[in-house]
Amino acid sequence: QKEVEQDPGPLSVPEGAIVSLNCTYSNSAFQYFMWYRQYSRKGPELLMYTYSSGNKEDGRFTAQVDKSSKYISLFIRDSQPSDSATYLCAMRGGSYIPTFGRGTSLIVHP
Amino acid sequence: SQTIHQWPATLVQPVGSPLSLECTVEGTSNPNLYWYRQAAGRGLQLLFYSVGIGQISSEVPQNLSASRPQDRQFILSSKKLLLSDSGFYLCALTGTDSNQPQHFGDGTRLSIL
Repeated sequence: QKEVEQDPGPLSVPEGAIVSLNCTYSNSAFQYFMWYRQYSRKGPELLMYTYSSGNKEDGRFTAQVDKSSKYISLFIRDSQPSDSATYLCAMRGGSYIPTFGRGTSLIVHP
Repeated sequence: SQTIHQWPATLVQPVGSPLSLECTVEGTSNPNLYWYRQAAGRGLQLLFYSVGIGQISSEVPQNLSASRPQDRQFILSSKKLLLSDSGFYLCALTGTDSNQPQHFGDGTRLSIL
């Protein structure tokens, strides 16, 4: 079992939809959770960074962490074609080196 | 703010040729620096990381090497490239507060012919 599991997609949604992206993990020591967005031929860009369980909101994006279920989510409201990208989850415990998911490809069509 | 510069953006090299990719950072001192490779459908693979000048930790044994000659410079090298070295190479940093998340440069896409 991989430490971090993420469905590669692609996930295709119409413009304006609410998008839910998810990762599961097996290492209970993970405490810091991140979501990155990566456009084609670009480096990953940090979207959300959370510590421990709970929700964090930033504009149209909401990150949710459920440590009891070892499950994290990223919600995108009112999705736009410009949100089309690959979304990577990442997480770490005491080490400063994160473990990344393989990324989910999101396509938002007009 | 922290900025990561990587060049070149794209590189095509023949098998057996040498390689040097450079990463320089601005806006921070004493960063932790990382080299990742991203292959299609395989996620991010950590290759090397450095916590200071001259300090390199290797995560994957291979024909690549890394050096950190200056605080804000991180170099990825190879003496002889293999076909399997093709990929997207990303430099990343964390600042002096290692609890902060990594930030990435825009990468170098390396194709080996």
